[in-house]
Amino acid sequence: DAGVIQSPRHEVTEMGQEVTLRCKPISGHNSLFWYRQTMMRGLELLIYFNNNVPIDDSGMPEDRFSAKMPNASFSTLKIQPSEPRDSAVYFCASSLGTINTEAFFGQGTRLTVV
Amino acid sequence: RKEVEQDPGPFNVPEGATVAFNCTYSNSASQSFFWYRQDCRKEPKLLMSVYSSGNEDGRFTAQLNRASQYISLLIRDSKLSDSATYLCAVVYSGAGSYQLTFGKGTKLSVIP
Repeated sequence: DAGVIQSPRHEVTEMGQEVTLRCKPISGHNSLFWYRQTMMRGLELLIYFNNNVPIDDSGMPEDRFSAKMPNASFSTLKIQPSEPRDSAVYFCASSLGTINTEAFFGQGTRLTVV
Repeated sequence: RKEVEQDPGPFNVPEGATVAFNCTYSNSASQSFFWYRQDCRKEPKLLMSVYSSGNEDGRFTAQLNRASQYISLLIRDSKLSDSATYLCAVVYSGAGSYQLTFGKGTKLSVIP
C-alpha cells in the first residue's frame, strides 16, 4: 500500500504565482481532506470531499484558494495568486469515511512563497 | 471558540515520568475520537483511537468523557522516543458527510 501520495514535497514560488498541490488518496478511501499547518494556527481543515464531492469548504481562507477532486484517485489544491502568508505545510489525508476509521496523511507539501 | 482545544505546552518531563494531556471538543454530537502523534517535520500518524470505555495500549491510556466533552491521553514511564507533538482529533459524521477536526497539538519533550 503506497499510502497517500502528495506532490511536490517542497515548493518555493514567488508572490503572485499560481501554485498547484496534488494528492492521490489511498485506493478505496472515499473521504479526502486538505489541511494547512502553521506554527501559529496548528492543523487547519481547509476543505473535505466525500465521494469526490466537496462537502465543506468553509475553512478555505479566501477566494484565492480552490480545490477539486475530478475522480476518486486525484485531488488538487490551487492557490492563485499566492502570497507570502500562504507559506505553510499542506497535508492531504484520506479515510474510509466511516465511524471509528482513522485518516491517513500524506507526507505534506512544504510551500514557501517569497 | 475553536471546535477542538488542547494545551499547546510544551510539556518538558524527565524520562520515566507520567504525563497527561487533555483535549476538549465543542460539538456534543461528535462520534469518534483519536490521538495522533506528529514528529518534527513529519505527517501526523494515528497513535490510538479513543473508545467510550477507555482503552490502553502498553504505556498509553486514552479516555473519553462525553458528559464533559473531553478526551485524555496518559503516557506512563515516558521514553525519550515519546518526544513529539500529540494531536487529538474528533469526528462528526452525518447526512453524508464525515468531518475530521484536529486540535493544535501539545508538544512533549522527554528529557534524559
